[in-house]
Amino acid sequence: DIQMTQSPSTLSASVGDRVTITCRASQSISSWLAWYQQKPGKAPKLLIYKTSSLESGVPSRFSGSGSGTEFTLTITSLQPDDFATYYCQHYDSYPLTFGGGTKVEIK
Amino acid sequence: EVQLVESGGGLVQPGGSLRLSCVASGFTFSSYWMSWVRQAPGKGLEWVANIKQDGSEKYYVDSVKGRFTISRDNAKNSLYLQMNSLRVEDTAVYYCASSDHSGYDWNYWGQGTLVTVSS
Repeated sequence: DIQMTQSPSTLSASVGDRVTITCRASQSISSWLAWYQQKPGKAPKLLIYKTSSLESGVPSRFSGSGSGTEFTLTITSLQPDDFATYYCQHYDSYPLTFGGGTKVEIK
Repeated sequence: EVQLVESGGGLVQPGGSLRLSCVASGFTFSSYWMSWVRQAPGKGLEWVANIKQDGSEKYYVDSVKGRFTISRDNAKNSLYLQMNSLRVEDTAVYYCASSDHSGYDWNYWGQGTLVTVSS
């Protein structure tokens, strides 16, 4: 099984900050990586698919990059609505697995 | 507007069974892979199962193989998850999900249904 490791697990930041979250795969997953945002009590929301494709309706301050085993989600200017938990997920092969999550908190 | 509405969750004793349903609307259900994803209380996300458009292919996470069965009824725009031999560790919110893209990067999610396995 491919293990997905996210870092950091918690991140404290201020509105306007540039934020970067890293996701590492235990083996190459090509570009088959998605990023989700989840708020308490809500279903996850797809932000990025296939490493760097922005989901329709998602603000352009979100971007994704990487390939192989190392990937990043960047938020260029953190907004109040962005305080949430973020998950990466690979879909290279079964079983599909998620990273452990990164909680973005208000500093 | 795409909608996925889950139902069927509840409290069940260890060893018991439960059947979850997900009714889809706003898209051509029969053209999409469908998935179940779960989240234990206070924990991260875990993919559970996938089913191909015509039901001919099904995939499961190891922890539910032999206990859970994913199925669909395209005539009713419905997805199901039959859960047998339930364990305490199956306690979670169960989401049905689908994707406009590859089938495995889910941009449509239901609101979730809570399954609690406890004596």
